[in-house]
Amino acid sequence: DTGVSQDPRHKITKRGQNVTFRCDPISEHNRLYWYRQTLGQGPEFLTYFQNEAQLEKSRLLSDRFSAERPKGSFSTLEIQRTEQGDSAMYLCASSLTGLAGQETQYFGPGTRLLVL
Amino acid sequence: QKEVEQNSGPLSVPEGAIASLNCTYSDRVSQSFFWYRQYSGKSPELIMSIYSNGDKEDGRFTAQLNKASQYVSLLIRDSQPSDSATYLCAVTDNYGQNFVFGPGTRLSVLP
Repeated sequence: DTGVSQDPRHKITKRGQNVTFRCDPISEHNRLYWYRQTLGQGPEFLTYFQNEAQLEKSRLLSDRFSAERPKGSFSTLEIQRTEQGDSAMYLCASSLTGLAGQETQYFGPGTRLLVL
Repeated sequence: QKEVEQNSGPLSVPEGAIASLNCTYSDRVSQSFFWYRQYSGKSPELIMSIYSNGDKEDGRFTAQLNKASQYVSLLIRDSQPSDSATYLCAVTDNYGQNFVFGPGTRLSVLP
């Protein structure tokens, strides 16, 4: 257990529904990352926050995806109008800014989404 | 576009042997390198980080970095069946942002 928690762990939804995932990072970590991982691939970066500011978003993050970290603590990732191609494991990771480049990301257990 | 490449495997080694996992990256400004282990259905867990050229040892694991060749490797000595997993190489820039993961190499250690 890395100290990063995600909820729910599994989500099954029908195409067209909205879903929201939550991530609680390690408490002192100021950076929080969202990734998506499909079978046989490495995690793909979606977006990241430093404190409450969303500093970068991947081109993968279509307008159906939105992420927030309102108080610089937990974060939510919402997918609107889900599509079958959204089925994946959604991973959250957190880190503490340290020496330039020398920060380690710790991953949560992930939320596995299945869109029927 | 940063790219991180790994052989997808599976790489099969007998128990007790040395497993050698390789990773190449395209971005010359990459500064930090990480190896994560991921068991099937689980999230990645950090094994090693390396920032300077040369070798870094931690128990049965040795990470090797050659920035001139844009190459990083992970050696696992005395491989155990419990080491069977997918090993992900991750690369980031000097600001610790823009983590890019490779597709992973699946390792199978045969008893």
